[in-house]
Amino acid sequence: DTGVSQNPRHKITKRGQNVTFRCDPISEHNRLYWYRQTLGQGPEFLTYFQNEAQLEKSRLLSDRFSAERPKGSFSTLEIQRTEQGDSAMYLCASSLYGTNTEAFFGQGTRLTVV
Amino acid sequence: AQKITQTQPGMFVQEKEAVTLDCTYDTSDPSYGLFWYKQPSSGEMIFLIYQGSYDQQNATEGRYSLNFQKARKSANLVISASQLGDSAMYFCAMREGREGSTLGRLYFGRGTQLTVWP
Repeated sequence: DTGVSQNPRHKITKRGQNVTFRCDPISEHNRLYWYRQTLGQGPEFLTYFQNEAQLEKSRLLSDRFSAERPKGSFSTLEIQRTEQGDSAMYLCASSLYGTNTEAFFGQGTRLTVV
Repeated sequence: AQKITQTQPGMFVQEKEAVTLDCTYDTSDPSYGLFWYKQPSSGEMIFLIYQGSYDQQNATEGRYSLNFQKARKSANLVISASQLGDSAMYFCAMREGREGSTLGRLYFGRGTQLTVWP
């Protein structure tokens, strides 16, 4: 399978715990995006990378959120001190810079904070 | 102001009929791209169709076509010959800026739930 891969698919955590999600983009794609989707809403942009550089961050990305893409390949999204409001689907997408093609999305990680 | 507005929370269509899903957008950037994605209950976002702001013709991809009316800032998705498997949430999205600019984010609408009945 050469699509965007996200792990884990589901995560249940207690409030206050830290969680980390992983995204493996399509191998030749140099742009990687993180979005958050809550029930009944469209995805909301969090941040994106071009290669290993984080080029844009949304104001939604509080200090408790951090994303990395250390070698320009896979990326991790960490949420520290989780809150119930963090419960959502976290979607990763990748695309190829310089083309007018779409972003390809993974199947997402569903986070539930109890 | 909302960048993308989808005013139809739900739409119903009979199998084999055509359906139009509405989308209006708001941007002052002369360069932008418009996208439609399908999200089945499994959660994955599936790309359907793309329209660039400078494209002269409406985009088509198989049974999907995009009715692009630039002056009205609308980008409606038309699905012809609906199939039961088309039942899903549909999202309209926009990316501002020229291709290759550092502006990479997509702005999404709230989606339209399409139900196809036999």
